Amino acid sequence: EVQLVQSGAEVKKPGESLKISCKGSGYSFTSYWIGWVRQMPGKGLEWMGIIYPGDSDTRYSPSFQGQVTISADKSISTAYLQWSSLKASDTAMYYCARQSLFCTSCYNTWGQGTLVTVSS
Amino acid sequence: DIQMTQSPSSLSASVGDRVTITCQASQDISNYLNWYQQKPGKAPKLLIYDASNLETGVPSRFSGSGSGTDFTFTISSLQPEDIATYYCQQYDNLPPNTTFGQGTKVEIK
Repeated sequence: EVQLVQSGAEVKKPGESLKISCKGSGYSFTSYWIGWVRQMPGKGLEWMGIIYPGDSDTRYSPSFQGQVTISADKSISTAYLQWSSLKASDTAMYYCARQSLFCTSCYNTWGQGTLVTVSS
Repeated sequence: DIQMTQSPSSLSASVGDRVTITCQASQDISNYLNWYQQKPGKAPKLLIYDASNLETGVPSRFSGSGSGTDFTFTISSLQPEDIATYYCQQYDNLPPNTTFGQGTKVEIK
């Protein structure tokens, strides 16, 4: 079964750093793009960026460029989303999702989400 | 950047009703348009890809159409389990970017 399993909820203070993870299983991790999507409380979906674990080719939404870092470790089939200095406005649910090979930039497998709360 | 305008933002319909949601792109996106369903507390689920293709395992009461700038998502006969928020998503490759619509919350009347 194809699965993406994300790391657990985090509670952090403003200014702290954070790295959350997304582990893929049941498929060839290096052959599919993995994207990250933010959902702020009560709000819609925002695409943050995407990585191809095979060669670590990474693309960012202009809205998130410079704000976060997306990476992957193909040896352990895991993608990451990290912040160097969190802000209260980073409080959100974060989803990783795998692109399908059969469509243009659509995501047919999603992680369960990681809730990040940033509060002093 | 390409802007997506999704409407309505919410709707209320009866079981068995036909429900239609639209997404309009600010410029031609060919058929690079996908539709997702998100139930409360859950991750989104892909329903329709490349404007009109039904994802495997998705009930046939869901459908999509359109190309260029105007797209439509339809539930032919609304069921209680269809209560959710629906999002369109477009892809632009210059520069690589993906934008979701604002979402449409579907409720039962």
